[in-house]
Amino acid sequence: SQTIHQWPATLVQPVGSPLSLECTVEGTSNPNLYWYRQAAGRGLQLLFYSVGIGQISSEVPQNLSASRPQDRQFILSSKKLLLSDSGFYLCAWSSGQYEQYFGPGTRLTVT
Amino acid sequence: QKEVEQNSGPLSVPEGAIASLNCTYSDRVSQSFFWYRQYSGKSPELIMSIYSNGDKEDGRFTAQLNKASQYVSLLIRDSQPSDSATYLCAVNPGYSSASKIIFGSGTRLSIRP
Repeated sequence: SQTIHQWPATLVQPVGSPLSLECTVEGTSNPNLYWYRQAAGRGLQLLFYSVGIGQISSEVPQNLSASRPQDRQFILSSKKLLLSDSGFYLCAWSSGQYEQYFGPGTRLTVT
Repeated sequence: QKEVEQNSGPLSVPEGAIASLNCTYSDRVSQSFFWYRQYSGKSPELIMSIYSNGDKEDGRFTAQLNKASQYVSLLIRDSQPSDSATYLCAVNPGYSSASKIIFGSGTRLSIRP
């Protein structure tokens, strides 16, 4: 069966510091991978998606970037965090059949 | 107009009753529709997917799709306190080629004992 991991689970970072969140998927090959952000009490905002190694599509302009160095690894980064980057970051995967399955998420607080 | 619209709630339903959650979408060529459940502080969990008009039942859950009206709903029978959560409607728009889905902002459901 497929499993998706995210770490860290929680993170508190000062404004201007860098960020690196990691997501890995087990039990499937060549998944589509997604990064979402959910602000407190709000809906899901798609940030990036990837259909293969090195292929990244950005959905919204921001100070975040994503990379996919391996088939089942997806990384979300920032060089300098803003207060507005606080939120619940969710990684998801799909096999191309449209259902997306989410990881446990990382709760980021920028102070 | 938002691509996927849901009433934010909260929707309060007595235990044992039927909870009805509704969603409308704007893209007429959408083909795939999903309901996710999200408990407070947790990630969304897929509970139903539906692709064709009509009803699809899975245990206490029934998804209903009407493409002509651009409307999808979720019925929860015999509501339990454990059903208290936010329910997210999601749609795969017809223009997407990368399995992108658009989420509504969610309906908060509260089951009162």
